[in-house]
Amino acid sequence: QVQLQESGPGLVKPSGTLSLTCAVSGGSISSSNWWSWVRQPPGKGLEWIGQIHHSGSANYNPSLKNRVTISVDKSKNQFSLKLNSVTASDTAVYYCASPAGKKFDPWGQGTLVTVSS
Amino acid sequence: QSALTQPASVSGSPGQSITISCTGTSSDVGDDNYVSWYQQHPGKAPELMIYEVSNRPSGVSNRFSGSKSGNTASLTISGLQAEDEADYYCSSYTSSVTYVFGTGTKVTVL
Repeated sequence: QVQLQESGPGLVKPSGTLSLTCAVSGGSISSSNWWSWVRQPPGKGLEWIGQIHHSGSANYNPSLKNRVTISVDKSKNQFSLKLNSVTASDTAVYYCASPAGKKFDPWGQGTLVTVSS
Repeated sequence: QSALTQPASVSGSPGQSITISCTGTSSDVGDDNYVSWYQQHPGKAPELMIYEVSNRPSGVSNRFSGSKSGNTASLTISGLQAEDEADYYCSSYTSSVTYVFGTGTKVTVL
């Protein structure tokens, strides 16, 4: 059973870069074609950020495309998210998830990232 | 891409059935059968309840069922129980090789 765990700084300064990593355990990152990031601002709904194939190919939400980079590190069995030029509106719980079969399952527990000076 | 439209809230008494709608476009919900539904309790990660419109993952109660007509998908919860009180989100794969989530529905058990 694959499990996902997000990690990274919980506080990022405005105009800085948000960087998170999702560790995959219980299976190989190459066992699923795609891996995704989803976020949820406090008290609001879910927003898909993007996905990466274990080969390195990526797709992004058009609204975030200019600021987002998702990468994969097969040697460490993990994938990462970078979001630059962050503002307070990027404050959210960030989840990693596996969209295998075009359904998100499993999910990580989520990590809250606050953008504040 | 715009979020799929869901009612903000739906309520029902224990034992009753409720239905949550999820309206999109011909580029997402109406494009194929990759519509899924998620349950989220406060402070928890979302949990998959329905995939490919109407399929239930192992371990999910058969009180949860899904359907689709045109650009609108629906989630029905029958025999409503207190533990069903949560937020529910639909999601759809799109023709642009992206995903879009619904606006979310808060289910209250009266």
